[in-house]
Amino acid sequence: ETGVTQTPRHLVMGMTNKKSLKCEQHLGHNAMYWYKQSAKKPLELMFVYSLEERVENNSVPSRFSPECPNSSHLFLHLHTLQPEDSALYLCASSQDRGRGSPLHFGNGTRLTVT
Amino acid sequence: GQNIDQPTEMTATEGAIVQINCTYQTSGFNGLFWYQQHAGEAPTFLSYNVLDGLEEKGRFSSFLSRSKGYSYLLLKELQMKDSASYLCAVGNNNDMRFGAGTRLTVKP
Repeated sequence: ETGVTQTPRHLVMGMTNKKSLKCEQHLGHNAMYWYKQSAKKPLELMFVYSLEERVENNSVPSRFSPECPNSSHLFLHLHTLQPEDSALYLCASSQDRGRGSPLHFGNGTRLTVT
Repeated sequence: GQNIDQPTEMTATEGAIVQINCTYQTSGFNGLFWYQQHAGEAPTFLSYNVLDGLEEKGRFSSFLSRSKGYSYLLLKELQMKDSASYLCAVGNNNDMRFGAGTRLTVKP
């Protein structure tokens, strides 16, 4: 199994839909992250979980709702999204939060909001 | 706040050497990372510098000067497969922030 797995790979949803992105890591890491990647922009950190506790929320709109039921799984629940939310959503994990631990990324979910 | 700058695009020839620069301003510095991202794929970790100096790893080397807020990634003996985006990222005590990436195109 690959280190960090994300599903689905592609998602098209209308503005009134509710969907969830799933991430699973098999690396025994303690921290998990959601990043948003838009064309020609830096990766934007959305949420950080350390030992299953949310430790950072970078002013992300409430239409994005994370959930971390255990240290191996991370979800991003989506509802009433806007077209500008179309982007690549990347999940990542690291051994520890900060302290020079490199991130291991999943392949991302390409989200299109119509 | 944090500010991380790197060139948007670079082009180089197969077999040559290319240097990708990154400048940053940050608080609570805890290391400088380089990642490679091929189109449609996830970023993959390339290198990590926390002390000043050069770290060499095969064809790739990374340099850091903390006093100048400056790093570079050096790619030697370029291959076509090195065409990708290269992301500079700065770690602090809490998380990691990224530059917009440098899209490198290697031409025959």
